[in-house]
Amino acid sequence: EVQLVESGGGLVQPGGSLTVSCAASGFTFSNYWMTWVRQAPGKGLQWVAIVKQDGSEKYYVDSVKGRFTISRDNAKNSLYLQMNSLRVEDTAIYYCARNLHYYQFDYWGQGTLVTVSS
Amino acid sequence: QSALTQPASVSGSPGQSITISCIGSSSDVGGYNYVSWYQQHPGKAPKLMIYDVSNRPSGVSNRFSGSKSGNTASLTISGLQAEDEADYYCSSYTPITHMIFGGGTKLTVL
Repeated sequence: EVQLVESGGGLVQPGGSLTVSCAASGFTFSNYWMTWVRQAPGKGLQWVAIVKQDGSEKYYVDSVKGRFTISRDNAKNSLYLQMNSLRVEDTAIYYCARNLHYYQFDYWGQGTLVTVSS
Repeated sequence: QSALTQPASVSGSPGQSITISCIGSSSDVGGYNYVSWYQQHPGKAPKLMIYDVSNRPSGVSNRFSGSKSGNTASLTISGLQAEDEADYYCSSYTPITHMIFGGGTKLTVL
């Protein structure tokens, strides 16, 4: 059974940093592009970042470029999102998801809440 | 690039069929067959219901179907059931911004 379990969310002040993680199991992690999608409270979905199987390619939504870094550790079956210079508008539930192909996501984690507030 | 356009809400009675539209452009929905639909119940993670415009993942009911005409994709749910009440999001690949979601549609089963 495919499972994705996020962790690391919490409360952080504006300008601060936080890293969220996603532990994958039930599939060959190294065979898939992996992505982060976020959802602000009461709002819709927004794609954030994606990383290739070997980590050699990474793409981001414009609003997080230069502030967020997506990475993965295939030996640990884990996906990460390092978030720096956090803004109030980054407050959201962050979901990790497996990429089926062409940015279509077939399995999602339960999400982890990141709150940016003073 | 703005979000794909979906109706804010749709409703239907049990047993009826409903269709949710997703309007894009030739740069996304109209240009590529990489349109997907997600169902999200309150407090839960999204679930893939349709990919590549009209394909259903294993385990998704055949009451759910997808189609596309020009720049508009559609999700049709037939034989509406109470458990179908949820938010639905469309998405599309686009080489401009990699991918884009619709604003979401709240489905109410009357």
